[in-house]
Amino acid sequence: KAGVTQTPRYLIKTRGQQVTLSCSPISGHRSVSWYQQTPGQGLQFLFEYFSETQRNKGNFPGRFSGRQFSNSRSEMNVSTLELGDSALYLCASRQANPPDTQYFGPGTRLTVL
Amino acid sequence: KNEVEQSPQNLTAQEGEFITINCSYSVGISALHWLQQHPGGGIVSLFMLSSGKKKHGRLIATINIQEKHSSLHITASHPRDSAVYICAAFLNTGNQFYFGTGTSLTVIP
Repeated sequence: KAGVTQTPRYLIKTRGQQVTLSCSPISGHRSVSWYQQTPGQGLQFLFEYFSETQRNKGNFPGRFSGRQFSNSRSEMNVSTLELGDSALYLCASRQANPPDTQYFGPGTRLTVL
Repeated sequence: KNEVEQSPQNLTAQEGEFITINCSYSVGISALHWLQQHPGGGIVSLFMLSSGKKKHGRLIATINIQEKHSSLHITASHPRDSAVYICAAFLNTGNQFYFGTGTSLTVIP
């Protein structure tokens, strides 16, 4: 089976712009979670989607949003980018319910200038 | 306050040494994961534990539910073990994972 894929791998944006990141889970996995990783805060949970519905949400502002499609692929969107949004954004998929093992994608490195 | 605390933050070892990384959590959990992250970002899930002990090759993970503590041990460490190791707890109080700050391990040949 192919692993979790994320596109793009690297992205440079300027403050105020918006960005959309994409995640394709492992075939058969219905749950996709998104995480932000920064040197200062470490890994933090953004949100989880399961069968096209947001099941859980972390403590991030409304500028961070996501969605999941019927084929389980997921996108996350960040609007009105701030310098502090520079981070590695990781998605992870699992078959169904936590706390099952998650399989992580390689991440998208976002730099906001 | 962090629900999940990890120590040490940084660790340097000589090749062949036995290594222990610790993770403590403050509330009840459903499961605890140990993750490995190599330079460049890719994360691999090493273990998922809800009780007892698991072993995979030179890696051993243990959890003590009563003491709210887990350890990851690496026997006969090797330079390729150099990575950041992160514990992630799935707490009963919230339907999501909470992460430790990570332990950066460097194994010197």
